[in-house]
Amino acid sequence: SQTIHQWPATLVQPVGSPLSLECTVEGTSNPNLYWYRQAAGRGLQLLFYSVGIGQISSEVPQNLSASRPQDRQFILSSKKLLLSDSGFYLCALQKRDEETQYFGPGTRLLVL
Amino acid sequence: AQSVTQLDSQVPVFEEAPVELRCNYSSSVSVYLFWYVQYPNQGLQLLLKYLSGSTLVKGINGFEAEFNKSQTSFDLRKPSVHISDTAEYFCAVSDVSSNYGNQFYFGTGTSLTVIP
Repeated sequence: SQTIHQWPATLVQPVGSPLSLECTVEGTSNPNLYWYRQAAGRGLQLLFYSVGIGQISSEVPQNLSASRPQDRQFILSSKKLLLSDSGFYLCALQKRDEETQYFGPGTRLLVL
Repeated sequence: AQSVTQLDSQVPVFEEAPVELRCNYSSSVSVYLFWYVQYPNQGLQLLLKYLSGSTLVKGINGFEAEFNKSQTSFDLRKPSVHISDTAEYFCAVSDVSSNYGNQFYFGTGTSLTVIP
């Protein structure tokens, strides 16, 4: 079965600082990958999804970006963080021949 | 695009009592339906899913859900809850015919609190 790793688990950053969150997967090849954000007390907001290396689709205009430099690596970045970027960031994968999305453990980001 | 509605944002229930969490979705086109559970500071864990076939599906931890196409609902039930069931529950819908292929739509979640 597949495994999703997210790093770091928790991050506290000042406003205006850069950001890099990493998601790596094991146990599958060529999955679709997703970044979601979960604000406190709210549901999941899809930020980006990727169907392959270098292929990124953005769902919400924001100061965040995503990259997929390798098949099993998905990175979420920002050049300058905003207070509103605080939240719980979840990476998810979906295998090509399955209908289910599986989620990683998440990264808690607090922007001060 | 789909929209998913979880009518109850918070549900308190006593231990060993039954619980039902409601979920409605907007479109009657062919869909896949999912319930996920999220414990504090953790990711989402799949509870159960409906892809096709029997409208009553069973999942982990004693949960089950019933798909009602005419009412576009997918309600989650458990006959007797435990303290350990205290968590956030998310309903999700995926369009079978979506051009996006794999886009999921999530409800805003229901916080289940089991009272001793």
